[in-house]
Amino acid sequence: RKEVEQDPGPFNVPEGATVAFNCTYSNSASQSFFWYRQDCRKEPKLLMSVYSSGNEDGRFTAQLNRASQYISLLIRDSKLSDSATYLCVVTPGDKIIFGKGTRLHILP
Amino acid sequence: GAGVSQTPSNKVTEKGKYVELRCDPISGHTALYWYRQSLGQGPEFLIYFQGTGAADDSGLPNDRFFAVRPEGSVSTLKIQRTERGDSAVYLCASSFQGQGGYEQYFGPGTRLTVT
Repeated sequence: RKEVEQDPGPFNVPEGATVAFNCTYSNSASQSFFWYRQDCRKEPKLLMSVYSSGNEDGRFTAQLNRASQYISLLIRDSKLSDSATYLCVVTPGDKIIFGKGTRLHILP
Repeated sequence: GAGVSQTPSNKVTEKGKYVELRCDPISGHTALYWYRQSLGQGPEFLIYFQGTGAADDSGLPNDRFFAVRPEGSVSTLKIQRTERGDSAVYLCASSFQGQGGYEQYFGPGTRLTVT
């Protein structure tokens, strides 16, 4: 099993739809979790951290399920500007592992 | 304030040559990371510095790759005897502290092409 696996993309969804991404990880010792966003030919930027209790930032909700070892990202009322690749990041110990990323296309 | 900067933005080199890639982190950030990203993949961890020392270099693919950060600020990634498989975008990131629990700020990357 890969250390971090993400939903294969791309996701093509109409504007205004709700879209959810999942990311599974294999190392149960992982402590910190993040979602990064990467636009085409740009560097990754932090979208949000993922806390054990779940957290929300506007249209974005992140959740962590330690028992099943996955994190999720929900985007509500998607906008054209949400089109990007979404990378999950898991940190087992001092290591930092990025997922392969899931590409999202929001269709007008 | 200024973000992370990387130079050059693009580097084309011939197979077998030596290259150096430079990273200027955000001032005051003690942790610095190097990643390599190939098309369609996520960033692949190479090495992490805490201050001047390499705290974790387990991601360096082989001994052709080496990185330094002599004064705890600017870092240079050095690749000897480049191979075509080294072609990728090399990303540098810095964070206030290390150990993965803090937001990383990425530079724009250096696109390396080995011909």
